[in-house]
Amino acid sequence: TQLLEQSPQFLSIQEGENLTVYCNSSSVFSSLQWYRQEPGEGPVLLVTVVTGGEVKKLKRLTFQFGDARKDSSLHITAAQPGDTGLYLCAGDEPPNNAGNMLTFGGGTRLMVKP
Amino acid sequence: ETGVTQTPRHLVMGMTNKKSLKCEQHLGHNAMYWYKQSAKKPLELMFVYSLEERVENNSVPSRFSPECPNSSHLFLHLHTLQPEDSALYLCASSQDRYQPAGELFFGEGSRLTVL
Repeated sequence: TQLLEQSPQFLSIQEGENLTVYCNSSSVFSSLQWYRQEPGEGPVLLVTVVTGGEVKKLKRLTFQFGDARKDSSLHITAAQPGDTGLYLCAGDEPPNNAGNMLTFGGGTRLMVKP
Repeated sequence: ETGVTQTPRHLVMGMTNKKSLKCEQHLGHNAMYWYKQSAKKPLELMFVYSLEERVENNSVPSRFSPECPNSSHLFLHLHTLQPEDSALYLCASSQDRYQPAGELFFGEGSRLTVL
């Protein structure tokens, strides 16, 4: 199993601030996904990145996949209280008998205060 | 609403009880999963079912017993659990068992507390 480390583990900021969270591994992934899990809910997919160096934007969220496909970052501009939640990255492991498997990072818990 | 429904949302049980968690997906997907989410630990894959056949058992203790009667329903039967089994149990589905860059659709989870 390939390890995905997310940092920081916890982040508390004021509304309107910018932030970046990171997802790092020593292994290469064929693709990487970011999920957001709001309190009392299950994770919901935000984006999938598949190409080294790829940048994707989703409104105020910017996702980048590292050139070597070992790391990724999520930048949020002008954070809002609705951005509060647990941000999980997940990478595709090499295929085994059960097909490709996702490895999840430990998550970054973000709180945006009004 | 993700199309994946889990019941019950909360469950408290003693170590000698037997209970079951239920998951139903309305997405027409062929693969279903059980994950365990504990505090301070990454999401842990427990079981994978593809077309009602178990294709992955991730070294899960036998006190957890999955059942997939059809491609829309998944159960997790629980018996003689330990306090350390207290966690959020998440069900997920996908169109087919893991495909590169494939999306997982999660339910809201069942919060289990073992006393």
